[in-house]
Amino acid sequence: NAGVMQNPRHLVRRRGQEARLRCSPMKGHSHVYWYRQLPEEGLKFMVYLQKENIIDESGMPKERFSAEFPKEGPSILRIQQVVRGDSAAYFCASSPLDSSPLHFGNGTRLTVT
Amino acid sequence: GNSVTQMEGPVTLSEEAFLTINCTYTATGYPSLFWYVQYPGEGLQLLLKATKADDKGSNKGFEATYRKETTSFHLEKGSVQVSDSAVYFCAHNFGNEKLTFGTGTRLTIIP
Repeated sequence: NAGVMQNPRHLVRRRGQEARLRCSPMKGHSHVYWYRQLPEEGLKFMVYLQKENIIDESGMPKERFSAEFPKEGPSILRIQQVVRGDSAAYFCASSPLDSSPLHFGNGTRLTVT
Repeated sequence: GNSVTQMEGPVTLSEEAFLTINCTYTATGYPSLFWYVQYPGEGLQLLLKATKADDKGSNKGFEATYRKETTSFHLEKGSVQVSDSAVYFCAHNFGNEKLTFGTGTRLTIIP
């Protein structure tokens, strides 16, 4: 059973470009969470999704950020018009229907130049 | 609101020393409590957990006890190794709700 798969592992974007981060949860997991880790800081919750539904997006910036978890395929975190302050490690985690704890992927490290 | 406060680092210890990393939480109710570990360049891995008061989580020589009276979940290990060098995160949640993390404590063990 493969773990949570995130790609790309590293992503470099120029200011103003779009960044797309992908997350494939563990097999059988229907809950996906996205977290952001700024350099030398802890993890900050961004969004919690189930298949085709956003359950909690209280940690998502109101502009430029969006997330989806379609019926088929991976969850996508999309950042439009990236700025230098978006440079961070973005972690995806998944869990089964009625259980914790979360299983984390190895993250996507976004660098905005 | 719900929050987790953990001992700030960095912490540097000699091999075989005793380790304590403090963690306290605030929550309405009784959350599940976790310690996660992050090795360089990797994601977080669950180290141990406790789901109710007085539970003790343990793994790889690490232990933490859920103390309701002091709202704490301190991480301990009797004899650390160089391979324990990592960042340790305390966290809590309710059911399948989002995990709330502390800021992390960087631990470095020197031979």
